[in-house]
Amino acid sequence: EAGVTQFPSHSVIEKGQTVTLRCDPISGHDNLYWYRRVMGKEIKFLLHFVKESKQDESGMPNNRFLAERTGGTYSTLKVQPAELEDSGVYFCASSLGKHEQYFGPGTRLTVT
Amino acid sequence: QKEVEQDPGPLSVPEGAIVSLNCTYSNSAFQYFMWYRQYSRKGPELLMYTYSSGNKEDGRFTAQVDKSSKYISLFIRDSQPSDSATYLCAMSVSSYKLIFGSGTRLLVRP
Repeated sequence: EAGVTQFPSHSVIEKGQTVTLRCDPISGHDNLYWYRRVMGKEIKFLLHFVKESKQDESGMPNNRFLAERTGGTYSTLKVQPAELEDSGVYFCASSLGKHEQYFGPGTRLTVT
Repeated sequence: QKEVEQDPGPLSVPEGAIVSLNCTYSNSAFQYFMWYRQYSRKGPELLMYTYSSGNKEDGRFTAQVDKSSKYISLFIRDSQPSDSATYLCAMSVSSYKLIFGSGTRLLVRP
């Protein structure tokens, strides 16, 4: 069974540009999560989807971040416009109901 | 004060040693407790998942939860160089929104 996949693995953009990260969860997992780790800090929750609905977006830093999950399958996280402090590793995870969360390899975002 | 505290290490042990990794937390509502292993430039890999208090064993790994002390532990028996990684504890009230520790870097010397 394929795990959680994320694309791209690494993105380097300039301040003010837009970047879109993609996550494909494990097949059949209705729950999808986004997390972020900035340099020197712990991994922090951003938001949680159940199918296509946002259940909890309490961790989203500001309105420059937009997450979507059309059709309840893959999800995208768009940052527009990107700022220097958005640099970090963005992880996606998925779970089957109220169970273990499995993480993807992450997207390393560098904003210069 | 952070909700979850974890010593960053590094913790260096010889091959074959028993490793003890720990986290403390402040939120008594946490019910779900996990340990993840993360190799450099990879995503967190789930090792152990525990609900409420008690012990859970899986091969060389044992997870313990002491809710009265707000303290969780992961023990690794017969440690191997391949166990060298960062170990992250994570916990949750609902099992959805995970709160992570900062991770402990473990080095197992051959």
